[in-house]
Amino acid sequence: ETGVTQTPRHLVMGMTNKKSLKCEQHLGHNAMYWYKQSAKKPLELMFVYNFKEQTENNSVPSRFSPECPNSSHLFLHLHTLQPEDSALYLCASRATLRVSSYEQYFGPGTRLTVT
Amino acid sequence: GNSVTQMEGPVTLSEEAFLTINCTYTATGYPSLFWYVQYPGEGLQLLLKATKADDKGSNKGFEATYRKETTSFHLEKGSVQVSDSAVYFCALSDRGSQGNLIFGKGTKLSVKP
Repeated sequence: ETGVTQTPRHLVMGMTNKKSLKCEQHLGHNAMYWYKQSAKKPLELMFVYNFKEQTENNSVPSRFSPECPNSSHLFLHLHTLQPEDSALYLCASRATLRVSSYEQYFGPGTRLTVT
Repeated sequence: GNSVTQMEGPVTLSEEAFLTINCTYTATGYPSLFWYVQYPGEGLQLLLKATKADDKGSNKGFEATYRKETTSFHLEKGSVQVSDSAVYFCALSDRGSQGNLIFGKGTKLSVKP
């Protein structure tokens, strides 16, 4: 499945580092999402972009900074993270112009470990 | 608000056993319903969907029927395989929130040979 790709797949960073996660979708979709998946917690929606405009920010701490330069690319810039930010970060995309089509397509995720 | 409740796991079955994972939802209006599967070390994959009452979604031997009267969307498979071991998520589309998906907590399935 190469419709939604994410890099890197694994990332270890210290609390003072700055890093970025990248997501790219090859499906012609116009909406993109960032989710956080922690052990034993429900999937958490972080950000939503539709046609490059941010339409949702679910009270995410400012140490997470999203960027969506176009409908195919989505970034998550990370700085001064905390150990509790260690999780699997999932990107997804959707075609919002298709009537009655609400399914999202996910990338493989980036496993982030903050030390 | 809208929500999804699915059975707690883990569920452990022997190969060729029958599988049911229960999912019920609370929603206003007429959401679309989904089952996603997450294999170890991977992202979520869409397994099947149903967009209106009495629709049956099916894929890879899995089935689920959209039951509006019981607000349920239970996942079933007649004969599971070891390769079906994964975490299964039930979800609904929240049409009041720009079509965002609301997920259940996930049910881990382990199939033993």
